[in-house]
Amino acid sequence: AQSVTQLGSHVSVSEGALVLLRCNYSSSVPPYLFWYVQYPNQGLQLLLKYTSAATLVKGINGFEAEFKKSETSFHLTKPSAHMSDAAEYFCAVSHTNAGKSTFGDGTTLTVKP
Amino acid sequence: GAVVSQHPSRVICKSGTSVKIECRSLDFQATTMFWYRQFPKQSLMLMATSNEGSKATYEQGVEKDKFLINHASLTLSTLTVTSAHPEDSSFYICSASTGLIYGYTFGSGTRLTVV
Repeated sequence: AQSVTQLGSHVSVSEGALVLLRCNYSSSVPPYLFWYVQYPNQGLQLLLKYTSAATLVKGINGFEAEFKKSETSFHLTKPSAHMSDAAEYFCAVSHTNAGKSTFGDGTTLTVKP
Repeated sequence: GAVVSQHPSRVICKSGTSVKIECRSLDFQATTMFWYRQFPKQSLMLMATSNEGSKATYEQGVEKDKFLINHASLTLSTLTVTSAHPEDSSFYICSASTGLIYGYTFGSGTRLTVV
């Protein structure tokens, strides 16, 4: 069984501020973890993924996430928010790199000028 | 990179009619495709997993006779919503697997509105 909890359905930051989106997972086997971004009426775009290699994963658009097994967390960060980062973000867990995923409820990121 | 094309992007249909949504992998062969459903302001819920040449595996609670999935080739999977009703209105998204090494890619989604 696997599940994902995204803490905070809405996060608001000022432009240039740190972005932190929280994700905790539960998995009966070593997990594969993903962060996706979704813009209105569009599909999902992969930001980054953890596949049991390095625990600090760097993704696109300046995002990165750190896998912490002891905390069962995979939080997403970006040092400086841009207006274009405003979107919906989903954390997901899977048993493989290409199997079906379980998604969190999503976090809406708002970036204030 | 791997590209998945989903068509149509938006469709409006009358209650009682059927709608077909296509998901194509443009530059790779997808042995497995997943179909998800997303209600407004909600997360993605997996509906079914389709493997080329075999019957789709549906998640619990998904009506297989209502949501027909066909994966006849390595580059095309279709989802047909039969006898659509307003409650079927949703955003449907497919994803195609390129295998364990490369992971999978999502289509751009289809907004279905049943009136």
